[in-house]
Amino acid sequence: RKEVEQDPGPFNVPEGATVAFNCTYSNSASQSFFWYRQDCRKEPKLLMSVYSSGNEDGRFTAQLNRASQYISLLIRDSKLSDSATYLCVAYYGGSQGNLIFGKGTKLSVKP
Amino acid sequence: NAGVTQTPKFQVLKTGQSMTLQCAQDMNHNSMYWYRQDPGMGLRLIYYSASEGTTDKGEVPNGYNVSRLNKREFSLRLESAAPSQTSVYFCASSEPAPGTQYFGPGTRLLVL
Repeated sequence: RKEVEQDPGPFNVPEGATVAFNCTYSNSASQSFFWYRQDCRKEPKLLMSVYSSGNEDGRFTAQLNRASQYISLLIRDSKLSDSATYLCVAYYGGSQGNLIFGKGTKLSVKP
Repeated sequence: NAGVTQTPKFQVLKTGQSMTLQCAQDMNHNSMYWYRQDPGMGLRLIYYSASEGTTDKGEVPNGYNVSRLNKREFSLRLESAAPSQTSVYFCASSEPAPGTQYFGPGTRLLVL
C-alpha cells in the first residue's frame, strides 16, 4: 500500500521561529517528492520539489532521506503569511495519476 | 490567463439528484484530474485523464463518471448523489513534469 504520513499538527509558532515538518512514505518505489501549500478554504499550490541532495528556496529547505523514507520541510524566520497547511506528496512513476498526498500539517504563525 | 477554473463554486443537492461539475484549463496541459478532499482524509483521486479521449479510475471512483470533452475541459458527474459525496471537489491539470499539478479553486458540495 502506498501511503504518505504526516503529523497533522497544528504547529503554533511565533513570528521569526524556525519550524520543521517531517513526512514518511511507505513504499520505497516512490520516485519523486513535493511539498504543496494549502491556505484555508483554498486550493493546494506547489511549494517546492524535494531533491535527493536537498534544496533551498529562500527561507524554505526541503530534504529527502531515502534510507529512512522520510522527507522534511524547514521554514526559517516564519512569517504570519506562512500560516497554512503543508501537504507532502509522493510520485510513484508511470501515469500522472500516481500522486499520493499526505493529509497535511497545519502551521499557525502568531504575532 | 485564468489557469484552472471550476463551476459551480457551491452546490447543495438532495439525495438522488444528479449534477455535473465543470472544469476547464487554459494552459494546454494534457493531463487533468478530479480529487475530493474530506476532513481527516486528505486529497483522494477520483478519476484522471492522461490525454484527450482517455480516462482512468483513481482511488475512489464509485458513484462518479467523467468526460474529457476536449483538451481544455474535464467534467465530473454525480448520477445519483449520496450524503457520503458531501465534500470539496478539486480539478487539476499538469505539465509533463511529474508532481507539478495546478488546481482549480474547488467546488463545495453538500448532499442532504
